[in-house]
Amino acid sequence: DAGVTQSPTHLIKTRGQQVTLRCSPKSGHDTVSWYQQALGQGPQFIFQYYEEEERQRGNFPDRFSGHQFPNYSSELNVNALLLGDSALYLCASSLEETEAFFGQGTRLTVV
Amino acid sequence: GESVGLHLPTLSVQEGDNSIINCAYSNSASDYFIWYKQESGKGPQFIIDIRSNMDKRQGQRVTVLLNKTVKHLSLQIAATQPGDSAVYFCAETENSGNTPLVFGKGTRLSVIA
Repeated sequence: DAGVTQSPTHLIKTRGQQVTLRCSPKSGHDTVSWYQQALGQGPQFIFQYYEEEERQRGNFPDRFSGHQFPNYSSELNVNALLLGDSALYLCASSLEETEAFFGQGTRLTVV
Repeated sequence: GESVGLHLPTLSVQEGDNSIINCAYSNSASDYFIWYKQESGKGPQFIIDIRSNMDKRQGQRVTVLLNKTVKHLSLQIAATQPGDSAVYFCAETENSGNTPLVFGKGTRLSVIA
Protein backbone atom coordinates (compact mmCIF):
# COMPACT_ATOMS: atom_id res chain seq x y z
CA ASP A 1 0.00 0.00 0.00
CA ALA A 2 1.59 3.23 -1.14
CA GLY A 3 1.54 6.01 1.37
CA VAL A 4 1.14 9.66 0.52
CA THR A 5 3.13 10.50 -2.60
CA GLN A 6 4.12 13.96 -3.76
CA SER A 7 5.66 15.26 -6.95
CA PRO A 8 8.03 16.68 -7.82
CA THR A 9 10.50 16.17 -4.98
CA HIS A 10 12.47 19.31 -5.79
CA LEU A 11 11.69 22.38 -7.85
CA ILE A 12 13.43 25.64 -8.65
CA LYS A 13 11.38 28.59 -9.88
CA THR A 14 12.00 32.26 -10.60
CA ARG A 15 10.20 35.09 -8.79
CA GLY A 16 6.89 35.90 -10.43
CA GLN A 17 6.43 32.45 -11.90
CA GLN A 18 3.64 30.01 -11.08
CA VAL A 19 4.04 26.50 -9.69
CA THR A 20 1.84 23.42 -9.33
CA LEU A 21 2.57 20.70 -6.80
CA ARG A 22 0.81 17.34 -6.77
CA CYS A 23 -0.26 14.88 -4.10
CA SER A 24 -1.76 11.42 -4.12
CA PRO A 25 -3.28 10.47 -0.77
CA LYS A 26 -2.88 7.21 1.06
CA SER A 27 -5.26 4.55 -0.23
CA GLY A 28 -8.69 4.95 1.32
CA HIS A 29 -8.12 8.51 2.52
CA ASP A 30 -10.52 11.18 1.29
CA THR A 31 -9.16 14.34 2.93
CA VAL A 32 -6.03 16.14 1.79
CA SER A 33 -4.34 18.96 3.67
CA TRP A 34 -1.41 21.10 2.53
CA TYR A 35 1.24 22.58 4.81
CA GLN A 36 4.17 24.91 4.25
CA GLN A 37 7.32 24.28 6.27
CA ALA A 38 9.97 26.99 6.25
CA LEU A 39 13.50 26.02 7.20
CA GLY A 40 13.80 25.46 10.94
CA GLN A 41 10.08 25.87 11.54
CA GLY A 42 7.11 23.62 12.09
CA PRO A 43 4.61 23.04 9.28
CA GLN A 44 1.98 25.75 8.80
CA PHE A 45 -1.50 24.84 7.57
CA ILE A 46 -2.41 26.21 4.13
CA PHE A 47 -5.77 24.57 3.36
CA GLN A 48 -7.70 21.33 3.38
CA TYR A 49 -9.74 19.65 0.66
CA TYR A 50 -12.62 17.25 1.11
CA GLU A 51 -15.15 16.12 -1.50
CA GLU A 52 -13.36 18.28 -4.09
CA GLU A 53 -13.95 21.48 -2.15
CA GLU A 54 -11.78 23.64 0.08
CA ARG A 55 -13.08 22.95 3.56
CA GLN A 56 -10.74 25.02 5.67
CA ARG A 57 -8.04 27.57 5.01
CA GLY A 58 -5.13 28.91 7.01
CA ASN A 59 -3.62 32.38 6.93
CA PHE A 60 -2.25 32.32 3.40
CA PRO A 61 -2.90 34.81 0.57
CA ASP A 62 -5.08 34.12 -2.45
CA ARG A 63 -1.94 33.41 -4.47
CA PHE A 64 -2.19 29.97 -2.91
CA SER A 65 -4.97 27.89 -4.42
CA GLY A 66 -5.74 24.25 -4.75
CA HIS A 67 -7.87 21.57 -6.23
CA GLN A 68 -9.02 18.08 -5.38
CA PHE A 69 -9.95 15.55 -8.02
CA PRO A 70 -12.60 12.80 -7.90
CA ASN A 71 -9.88 10.24 -7.10
CA TYR A 72 -8.99 12.37 -4.03
CA SER A 73 -5.61 13.46 -5.40
CA SER A 74 -4.85 17.13 -5.03
CA GLU A 75 -2.86 20.01 -6.44
CA LEU A 76 -1.43 23.09 -4.80
CA ASN A 77 -0.93 26.13 -7.04
CA VAL A 78 1.08 29.18 -6.12
CA ASN A 79 1.00 32.26 -8.38
CA ALA A 80 3.37 35.21 -8.54
CA LEU A 81 6.06 33.43 -6.55
CA LEU A 82 8.02 35.37 -3.96
CA LEU A 83 11.41 34.52 -2.49
CA GLY A 84 9.61 33.92 0.80
CA ASP A 85 7.61 31.10 -0.74
CA SER A 86 10.75 28.95 -0.68
CA ALA A 87 9.91 26.08 1.66
CA LEU A 88 9.08 22.41 1.96
CA TYR A 89 5.47 21.85 0.94
CA LEU A 90 3.87 18.92 2.67
CA CYS A 91 0.72 17.06 1.79
CA ALA A 92 -1.12 15.07 4.43
CA SER A 93 -4.03 12.72 3.92
CA SER A 94 -6.52 11.46 6.44
CA LEU A 95 -9.87 9.83 6.94
CA GLU A 96 -12.51 10.81 9.46
CA GLU A 97 -11.21 10.47 13.04
CA THR A 98 -7.81 9.08 11.98
CA GLU A 99 -4.36 10.56 12.18
CA ALA A 100 -2.88 12.44 9.25
CA PHE A 101 -0.15 10.77 7.19
CA PHE A 102 2.39 13.02 5.52
CA GLY A 103 4.21 12.69 2.23
CA GLN A 104 7.91 13.34 1.75
CA GLY A 105 7.23 16.88 0.61
CA THR A 106 8.24 19.02 -2.34
CA ARG A 107 11.22 21.32 -1.77
CA LEU A 108 10.47 24.57 -3.61
CA THR A 109 13.26 27.08 -4.12
CA VAL A 110 12.39 30.50 -5.54
CA VAL A 111 15.32 32.46 -6.96
CA GLY B 1 -3.07 33.62 18.77
CA GLU B 2 -3.32 30.00 19.72
CA SER B 3 -0.02 28.20 19.34
CA VAL B 4 1.90 25.11 20.22
CA GLY B 5 5.43 25.60 21.42
CA LEU B 6 8.35 23.60 22.73
CA HIS B 7 10.52 24.40 25.74
CA LEU B 8 13.84 23.12 24.37
CA PRO B 9 14.99 23.69 20.80
CA THR B 10 17.82 21.12 21.06
CA LEU B 11 18.42 18.04 23.18
CA SER B 12 21.53 15.86 23.27
CA VAL B 13 21.40 12.48 24.99
CA GLN B 14 23.72 9.54 25.38
CA GLU B 15 22.81 6.38 23.54
CA GLY B 16 20.85 4.11 25.86
CA ASP B 17 19.58 6.93 28.05
CA ASN B 18 15.97 8.03 28.18
CA SER B 19 14.89 11.21 26.37
CA ILE B 20 12.15 13.57 27.37
CA ILE B 21 10.85 16.18 24.96
CA ASN B 22 8.40 18.75 26.27
CA CYS B 23 5.68 20.79 24.63
CA ALA B 24 3.28 23.49 25.81
CA TYR B 25 0.01 24.24 24.08
CA SER B 26 -2.35 27.15 24.54
CA ASN B 27 -5.63 26.16 22.86
CA SER B 28 -7.83 24.80 25.64
CA ALA B 29 -10.25 23.48 23.01
CA SER B 30 -7.65 21.08 21.60
CA ASP B 31 -8.61 17.51 22.31
CA TYR B 32 -6.19 15.49 20.20
CA PHE B 33 -2.41 15.64 20.29
CA ILE B 34 0.18 13.97 18.13
CA TRP B 35 3.95 13.61 18.19
CA TYR B 36 5.75 13.51 14.87
CA LYS B 37 9.34 12.64 14.05
CA GLN B 38 10.96 14.33 11.08
CA GLU B 39 14.27 13.17 9.66
CA SER B 40 16.29 15.33 7.32
CA GLY B 41 14.72 15.56 3.86
CA LYS B 42 11.61 13.65 4.87
CA GLY B 43 8.06 14.44 5.85
CA PRO B 44 6.81 14.17 9.45
CA GLN B 45 6.29 10.60 10.60
CA PHE B 46 3.56 9.76 13.10
CA ILE B 47 4.94 8.45 16.40
CA ILE B 48 2.11 8.40 18.90
CA ASP B 49 -1.09 10.25 19.69
CA ILE B 50 -3.27 10.89 22.69
CA ARG B 51 -6.77 12.20 23.21
CA SER B 52 -7.72 14.64 25.91
CA ASN B 53 -9.64 12.01 27.88
CA MET B 54 -6.34 10.26 28.61
CA ASP B 55 -3.30 11.23 30.69
CA LYS B 56 -0.84 8.69 29.39
CA ARG B 57 -0.38 6.45 26.41
CA GLN B 58 2.41 4.00 25.70
CA GLY B 59 3.81 2.67 22.49
CA GLN B 60 6.92 0.78 21.59
CA ARG B 61 9.72 2.56 23.52
CA VAL B 62 7.67 5.77 23.57
CA THR B 63 5.27 7.23 26.08
CA VAL B 64 3.21 10.40 25.78
CA LEU B 65 2.00 12.22 28.87
CA LEU B 66 -0.72 14.85 28.81
CA ASN B 67 -1.35 17.33 31.61
CA LYS B 68 -4.44 19.30 30.70
CA THR B 69 -4.29 21.40 33.86
CA VAL B 70 -1.10 23.12 32.79
CA LYS B 71 -1.53 22.45 29.05
CA HIS B 72 1.64 20.41 28.82
CA LEU B 73 2.58 17.44 26.68
CA SER B 74 5.71 15.31 26.80
CA LEU B 75 7.27 12.54 24.77
CA GLN B 76 9.47 10.02 26.53
CA ILE B 77 11.75 7.79 24.50
CA ALA B 78 13.25 4.84 26.35
CA ALA B 79 16.75 3.55 25.60
CA THR B 80 17.41 6.21 22.98
CA GLN B 81 19.12 4.92 19.84
CA PRO B 82 21.11 6.72 17.12
CA GLY B 83 18.15 6.18 14.78
CA ASP B 84 16.07 8.37 17.06
CA SER B 85 18.08 11.41 16.03
CA ALA B 86 15.63 13.75 14.32
CA VAL B 87 13.44 16.79 14.89
CA TYR B 88 10.37 16.08 16.98
CA PHE B 89 7.18 18.10 16.70
CA CYS B 90 4.10 18.10 18.84
CA ALA B 91 0.87 19.04 17.14
CA GLU B 92 -2.60 19.76 18.40
CA THR B 93 -6.04 19.80 16.85
CA GLU B 94 -9.64 20.00 17.94
CA ASN B 95 -10.81 17.02 15.89
CA SER B 96 -8.52 14.42 14.34
CA GLY B 97 -8.68 14.08 10.58
CA ASN B 98 -10.85 17.12 9.96
CA THR B 99 -9.29 20.15 11.56
CA PRO B 100 -5.85 21.57 10.89
CA LEU B 101 -2.87 20.48 12.91
CA VAL B 102 -1.08 23.27 14.75
CA PHE B 103 2.62 22.53 15.05
CA GLY B 104 5.31 23.96 17.25
CA LYS B 105 8.82 24.79 16.03
CA GLY B 106 10.27 21.42 16.97
CA THR B 107 13.04 19.99 19.13
CA ARG B 108 16.15 18.53 17.58
CA LEU B 109 17.21 15.34 19.33
CA SER B 110 20.86 14.33 18.91
CA VAL B 111 21.93 10.94 20.17
CA ILE B 112 25.57 10.62 21.17
CA ALA B 113 26.97 7.16 20.52
